[in-house]
Amino acid sequence: AQTVTQSQPEMSVQEAETVTLSCTYDTSENNYYLFWYKQPPSRQMILVIRQEAYKQQNATENRFSVNFQKAAKSFSLKISDSQLGDTAMYFCAFMKVSGYALNFGKGTSLLVTP
Amino acid sequence: ETGVTQSPTHLIKTRGQQVTLRCSSQSGHNTVSWYQQALGQGPQFIFQYYREEENGRGNFPPRFSGLQFPNYSSELNVNALELDDSALYLCASSLARTYEQYFGPGTRLTVT
Repeated sequence: AQTVTQSQPEMSVQEAETVTLSCTYDTSENNYYLFWYKQPPSRQMILVIRQEAYKQQNATENRFSVNFQKAAKSFSLKISDSQLGDTAMYFCAFMKVSGYALNFGKGTSLLVTP
Repeated sequence: ETGVTQSPTHLIKTRGQQVTLRCSSQSGHNTVSWYQQALGQGPQFIFQYYREEENGRGNFPPRFSGLQFPNYSSELNVNALELDDSALYLCASSLARTYEQYFGPGTRLTVT
């Protein structure tokens, strides 16, 4: 079974600063997908960024980027130039290439302050 | 393009009762997955439906069942409700064989 661990239950960052959220996972699979999802207080889950394990290049989406370390089974999310609208729960998730289910971590609550 | 919608938004039921939650998938998506999110936890996979058949199931008892209709909308049914069933139930749709799942706003179920 795959497990996803997010060791930071809560984090806080000031507007315009950079913050990094941590995620580690455990799997025996070689090919898989990793995701970061954002769940604002309005609760609709939104996909922030995805990474295919076979790709060595780290994914980037505007202010969001990841540091994917396959050997260490680590997948951190960096948010640059933090904005008030980034305040949300952030979930790291794993999916096998042959699979259909997202395995989520427990989440990190991020608060962006003025 | 219409996103994933769920109904109702909130629901209060009594222990032992049965409940049906509904989900309309995003336009063009033929696969629906259901997740249970307990307070303060990440979502847990319940099951997935593809072309009206159950395509995979998580570690949930048989009293959790589902349906998918020809228009790809879906229902989640829970029988013999227990207090621990209180949670946010999320529906996500996707194109088969793709990994991107798009979530609905959820249904908050409270069991008293």
